[in-house]
Amino acid sequence: KNEVEQSPQNLTAQEGEFITINCSYSVGISALHWLQQHPGGGIVSLFMLSSGKKKHGRLIATINIQEKHSSLHITASHPRDSAVYICSLQGAQKLVFGQGTRLTINP
Amino acid sequence: DAGVIQSPRHEVTEMGQEVTLRCKPISGHNSLFWYRQTMMRGLELLIYFNNNVPIDDSGMPEDRFSAKMPNASFSTLKIQPSEPRDSAVYFCATSRTSGSRHTGELFFGEGSRLTVL
Repeated sequence: KNEVEQSPQNLTAQEGEFITINCSYSVGISALHWLQQHPGGGIVSLFMLSSGKKKHGRLIATINIQEKHSSLHITASHPRDSAVYICSLQGAQKLVFGQGTRLTINP
Repeated sequence: DAGVIQSPRHEVTEMGQEVTLRCKPISGHNSLFWYRQTMMRGLELLIYFNNNVPIDDSGMPEDRFSAKMPNASFSTLKIQPSEPRDSAVYFCATSRTSGSRHTGELFFGEGSRLTVL
């Protein structure tokens, strides 16, 4: 079993829809990162979470340490949100990556 | 700040040649990570430096790969000899950490796309 599982693997939605991407993991962590990778290849760190919830613009990330689960939400989705979203687990010294969720927002 | 700077952005080389990838971290960041991304395996951590010291190199695939961080402002990832299966995008990321625990937000370079023919 992989240490981190993301779902869905692919998601296509219409502009304006509320989007949820999930990340479940099976190991102890000190923090969890949500990363965004655009078609051009660059990677941007969206959030780093160790508990609770964070919000940045239309993006919201939550984490439940007891349930070993995190979600990334996008409100009022827009075509420019189309990207691969990657969940990354941070242990004491090691980083483990999910396989990513490819999100496509159609106008 | 200019962000994490990687070079070259693209490299095409022949099997057997030596490849050197370079990374300049954000000033003040004391942790540096080298990652590799391929379609088949996604993102993989290769090696992690903290305060210029290699902390975890368990992700380095084999002896052909080596990484150095001679000072706080420069790191290299070297592949010698290169093989076609090394073709990938290699990312460098840096962060500010406390002690030996990585606790800071990651900032990624734009990546070096390597093609080994």
